[in-house]
Amino acid sequence: DIQMTQSPSSLSASVGDRVTITCRASQSISTYLHWYQQKPGKAPKVLIYSASTLQSGVPSRFSGSGSGTDFTLTISSLHPEDFATYYCQQTYLTPRTFGPGTKVDVK
Amino acid sequence: QVQLEQSGADVKKPGASVKVSCKASGYTFTRFYVHWVRQAPGQGLEWMGTINPSTSTTTYAQTFRGRVTVTTDTSSSTVYIELSSLRDEDTAVYYCARDAGGYGDRHLDYWGQGTLVTVSS
Repeated sequence: DIQMTQSPSSLSASVGDRVTITCRASQSISTYLHWYQQKPGKAPKVLIYSASTLQSGVPSRFSGSGSGTDFTLTISSLHPEDFATYYCQQTYLTPRTFGPGTKVDVK
Repeated sequence: QVQLEQSGADVKKPGASVKVSCKASGYTFTRFYVHWVRQAPGQGLEWMGTINPSTSTTTYAQTFRGRVTVTTDTSSSTVYIELSSLRDEDTAVYYCARDAGGYGDRHLDYWGQGTLVTVSS
């Protein structure tokens, strides 16, 4: 199975901060990497797919980059509604593994 | 609009089986794979398996092989997941989600609201 790691596991930030989350795959997954945001009690929501494509309706302050094994999700300027947990997922191989998540909370 | 409507919460005893449904609407049901993902309380997301509604071909995570069965009813555009031999650690919210592409290897663009399954004696 492809193992996904994320760093940091949690971070504290303020509104307006630039936030960067990293996801690493245990083997190359090309750009079969997607980012989801989840708020408590809600289903996840896709933000970025195929490493760098912004899902329709998602604010442009979210961006993604990377290929192969190393990927980054960036929030250029944190908004109050962005405090949530973020997961990466690879769909290169089955099982379609998720990273362990990064919780972004209020500093 | 695309919607995935899941069945309600359920409580089961250890050793029993549970079946959760996911009714799709707003798109051509047979054109998109559907996946199941679960989340134990306070934990991360765990991919369980997927089905191609057009062919009923399934793929499961090794962790669940032998205990999980995903099926479809194309007449009602509904996908089901059944998990047997339930253990306490199967207590989780179970989500269905639609695959955005045609081969089951894309992102999950629409999700059900989740179904809480509690396993307790």
